[in-house]
Amino acid sequence: TQLLEQSPQFLSIQEGENLTVYCNSSSVFSSLQWYRQEPGEGPVLLVTVVTGGEVKKLKRLTFQFGDARKDSSLHITAAQPGDTGLYLCAGDLTQAGTALIFGKGTTLSVSS
Amino acid sequence: DAGITQSPRHKVTETGTPVTLRCHQTENHRYMYWYRQDPGHGLRLIHYSYGVKDTDKGEVSDGYSVSRSKTEDFLLTLESATSSQTSVYFCAISVTGTKRLYGYTFGSGTRLTVV
Repeated sequence: TQLLEQSPQFLSIQEGENLTVYCNSSSVFSSLQWYRQEPGEGPVLLVTVVTGGEVKKLKRLTFQFGDARKDSSLHITAAQPGDTGLYLCAGDLTQAGTALIFGKGTTLSVSS
Repeated sequence: DAGITQSPRHKVTETGTPVTLRCHQTENHRYMYWYRQDPGHGLRLIHYSYGVKDTDKGEVSDGYSVSRSKTEDFLLTLESATSSQTSVYFCAISVTGTKRLYGYTFGSGTRLTVV
């Protein structure tokens, strides 16, 4: 069974703090996606990383793909209450997206 | 944005009854997926389709069947619902480019309760 380990499972922080979420596997991925999900809704794609060592920034969010394409991290700078939600990583074992595996998610709560 | 509509949004059904969930897309995407999401398990693939009448099993396909008679519609059927199938079900389509996957677009989900 292919596994994608995501940590931490829960994170509760104050507004303005920084945080990092990790996604690790023993498998090599052709790409890796990060999604954010709010209660009662489906996950929404934040970013896709493809190249080993790639770094992408989305405002206060920084995504990094490991050099070996087995792991990834999401760093949020100066978290805000609007960042609250479930963050999911998903790795693609093929290039067609038919073997996308998801981590179990990190529930982030940012209080003001 | 791909238009993906799931119906119903909520359903309560009795054990042993058949249930069909519908996913409708408006942008002619080839690949469609059904996932279930449960606490402690995350998102798990039930079935997926790679074209009209072309489907394949995912990780947790037992007790489920699917059909795709038109590109835009992907149906998930619980043949005889059990309490273990109480879950939130998501439909998704994959957005692909030249030789790679950009990501998935998900519907808003169906919350199914089997009593």
